[in-house]
Amino acid sequence: AQSVAQPEDQVNVAEGNPLTVKCTYSVSGNPYLFWYVQYPNRGLQFLLKYITGDNLVKGSYGFEAEFNKSQTSFHLKKPSALVSDSALYFCAVRQGGATNKLIFGTGTLLAVQP
Amino acid sequence: NAGVTQTPKFQVLKTGQSMTLQCAQDMNHEYMSWYRQDPGMGLRLIHYSVGAGITDQGEVPNGYNVSRSTTEDFPLRLLSAAPSQTSVYFCASSYGYRVMSYGYTFGSGTRLTVV
Repeated sequence: AQSVAQPEDQVNVAEGNPLTVKCTYSVSGNPYLFWYVQYPNRGLQFLLKYITGDNLVKGSYGFEAEFNKSQTSFHLKKPSALVSDSALYFCAVRQGGATNKLIFGTGTLLAVQP
Repeated sequence: NAGVTQTPKFQVLKTGQSMTLQCAQDMNHEYMSWYRQDPGMGLRLIHYSVGAGITDQGEVPNGYNVSRSTTEDFPLRLLSAAPSQTSVYFCASSYGYRVMSYGYTFGSGTRLTVV
């Protein structure tokens, strides 16, 4: 069965420092992977996706993610964190079959200190 | 404004009451789904639909019903509310049910408290 894991409940980083939010996945076949961000009292917003092609995927707000097939990981990264990046981040993987079902991780709270 | 609209934003129910959470999208998306979000558990799929007249169960369907009479609307019904259904509910939609290319568009959520 497809699954996704976010091993860190919270990540703390100082403003201006690089950030990484970790995600590992388990799928049969080729993975479709996604990152979403949720700001307080808001719905989830799409950040980026990996379907095929380059392992480094660029998305919104300066975020990027690196797909690593051998390590079954899809870590979210940003070279220089902003206080406004503080939010809840979800990794998701598409479940196989002829549907659009996404399986979400438990989320990682990113806290960027000024 | 194009997007997914959820109503109400907040609701308090007494145990045993029933209610319907509304979800509407104006993007002609074929795929629609309902998730609940609970602390430490991420988002869990309740029900989903791949088109008008077609619905199916997700991970946690018990206590909830759905229908899809039109492409635009996908209401979620709580049959007899229980405190365990206290949660934040999100509706999400996407274009095309065979090819995952565009990700989901989420509504802003309904915060439900059952007392």
